[in-house]
Amino acid sequence: QVQLVESGGGVVQPGRSLRLSCAASGFTFSTYAMHWVRQAPGKGLEWVALISSDGNNKLYADSVKGRLTISRDNSKNILFLQLNSLRPEDTAVYYCARHWGADYWGQGTLVTVSS
Amino acid sequence: DVVMTQSPLSLPVTLGQPASISCRSSQSLVYSDGDTYLNWFHQRPGQSPRRLIYKVSNRDSGVPDRFSGSGSGTDFTLKISRVEAEDVGVYYCMQGTHWPRTFGQGTKVEIK
Repeated sequence: QVQLVESGGGVVQPGRSLRLSCAASGFTFSTYAMHWVRQAPGKGLEWVALISSDGNNKLYADSVKGRLTISRDNSKNILFLQLNSLRPEDTAVYYCARHWGADYWGQGTLVTVSS
Repeated sequence: DVVMTQSPLSLPVTLGQPASISCRSSQSLVYSDGDTYLNWFHQRPGQSPRRLIYKVSNRDSGVPDRFSGSGSGTDFTLKISRVEAEDVGVYYCMQGTHWPRTFGQGTKVEIK
């Protein structure tokens, strides 16, 4: 069955960096585009970024452009999100989701940006 | 960006009764291929979202048939024919036609 397991979250000071991972299993990872979506505490869902199946095309929300970078390693079935220059407003649960239509989601990993 | 507006934002329902959630987009969600990319998600408390409906009216595998989606262009609806206790949580619409992808604010469904 499809499984997506995020990791890498934690507490980080403003201005620092963090790298999130999403380990995929149960499907042919290299044939699916992948999203990152985040949810601030008590708030709704915010789309963050998408990467094409081959990694050659990447799209970002304006709110994170230039600070967050999506990437993938198809040989290891892992999706990444590099978060740089973190701000308190980046505090959220970060989910990875499969395919253009976001048909499967992971359980999320919490990133807290605080001094 | 395409703005997705859901209503109501809070929906108290009686078990066994129907429920309906509206989602309106600021632009048409008809893509150049002729399809309309409007999805519905359900998020139970403490859980990650689960997709229920894709391309307006197609139920995902394992989704009970009491859930149905309809609509076209900029106006969409999610209906639950008879609400069950497990249906509580927040429902989101999401458009997959334009970049960036955008979600509605969410509709919280609770049992009266």
